[in-house]
Amino acid sequence: DARVTQTPRHKVTEMGQEVTMRCQPILGHNTVFWYRQTMMQGLELLAYFRNRAPLDDSGMPKDRFSAEMPDATLATLKIQPSEPRDSAVYFCASGLVTAGGPDEQFFGPGTRLTVL
Amino acid sequence: QQPVQSPQAVILREGEDAVINCSSSKALYSVHWYRQKHGEAPVFLMILLKGGEQMRHEKISASFNEKKQQSSLYLTASQLSYSGTYFCGTGEGGGADGLTFGKGTHLIIQP
Repeated sequence: DARVTQTPRHKVTEMGQEVTMRCQPILGHNTVFWYRQTMMQGLELLAYFRNRAPLDDSGMPKDRFSAEMPDATLATLKIQPSEPRDSAVYFCASGLVTAGGPDEQFFGPGTRLTVL
Repeated sequence: QQPVQSPQAVILREGEDAVINCSSSKALYSVHWYRQKHGEAPVFLMILLKGGEQMRHEKISASFNEKKQQSSLYLTASQLSYSGTYFCGTGEGGGADGLTFGKGTHLIIQP
């Protein structure tokens, strides 16, 4: 049963600390997305990659957020330094892009981040 | 800019029908529908592409009016398991563009 995995599932940290979230996409998927969900803003796209290359990171605060794909099995999202307003659930999703166009995005379970 | 979903919330009795609407001010290539239960990740329901056909999965179907940039999700003979928050996500270009999601429609099904 293929699924997207994310670690950690929960993270509580203090303002100013670095936070790293990890995602393992479904094997064979070539596109990885990072979304953030809050009560106020809903689901927001932060960044996405295709074949490990960043295609769009316009949704991320550039001064503190960074996203990378060191290899095809790992995507990371880092926040440095973290702020209380970063508290949210961060979802990673993966999908397979073909010549036929967009397809289903499979969401991971999310990382619930609380910044005190 | 986020697509606008309506209604914001709806309460139904089991077996009743529901329609959820999604409207965008931008030209769309695709509309994706997801359902999310409390504390869980969004789960894919269906995708509609520009020039494509109306989609259907069991008792859930959806349509996409390309001229009006609107999509509707139809839930027929609702079941208790249909409860949750429904999101439409819109894509503006071909390929796996990241989605812009609406704020969601909360659906409660009562026995």
